[in-house]
Amino acid sequence: GAGVSQSPSNKVTEKGKDVELRCDPISGHTALYWYRQSLGQGLEFLIYFQGNSAPDKSGLPSDRFSAERTGGSVSTLTIQRTQQEDSAVYLCASSSNSLAGYYEQYFGPGTRLTVT
Amino acid sequence: KQEVTQIPAALSVPEGENLVLNCSFTDSAIYNLQWFRQDPGKGLTSLLLIQSSQREQTSGRLNASLDKSSGRSTLYIAASQPGDSATYLCAVRAGNQFYFGTGTSLTVIP
Repeated sequence: GAGVSQSPSNKVTEKGKDVELRCDPISGHTALYWYRQSLGQGLEFLIYFQGNSAPDKSGLPSDRFSAERTGGSVSTLTIQRTQQEDSAVYLCASSSNSLAGYYEQYFGPGTRLTVT
Repeated sequence: KQEVTQIPAALSVPEGENLVLNCSFTDSAIYNLQWFRQDPGKGLTSLLLIQSSQREQTSGRLNASLDKSSGRSTLYIAASQPGDSATYLCAVRAGNQFYFGTGTSLTVIP
């Protein structure tokens, strides 16, 4: 079946503009994660959605970052008033938190954000 | 807070050699550990997933082990090939979060 997809693949924006990044998880996956990968850095957890539960937003670096997940499927990560330090690859992953409890993550190709 | 470390940061080996990548984590209260590879400019591809109750998993030329009590995992790659060149990441799940190491960049020289 189809994997996790993300759009756009690349985004160049001017400092101060808002951007929206989209993630389409694997159909039927109840869990969705957003990560940020800066140059030379490891993956930084941003936010986690599980079904209809309140999201775990503990990784969001500032109140300029927000995310929604509509209908338990597609998710949008919004960054307001972008700064140059927001430049990174934003990765989305989904997993099936079934009773088997495997929690294996499947990643999308990422969105490379460049703030000029 | 869980911290994940990968050693070495970079590794270069001749084709055909067997090699071991190391991953260590500070808190043994994990659900599972997952190994990924990341090719330049691409997302992460899952290689192996080891549940906390398991000791190892194998897939083809790859074998991953887990010693939860000592906070260590190894990824063994047999008979390395140039196509194995990539960055290898390990991640542990604790609570709702996955904690990633910074990766080992592997180059297999033909």
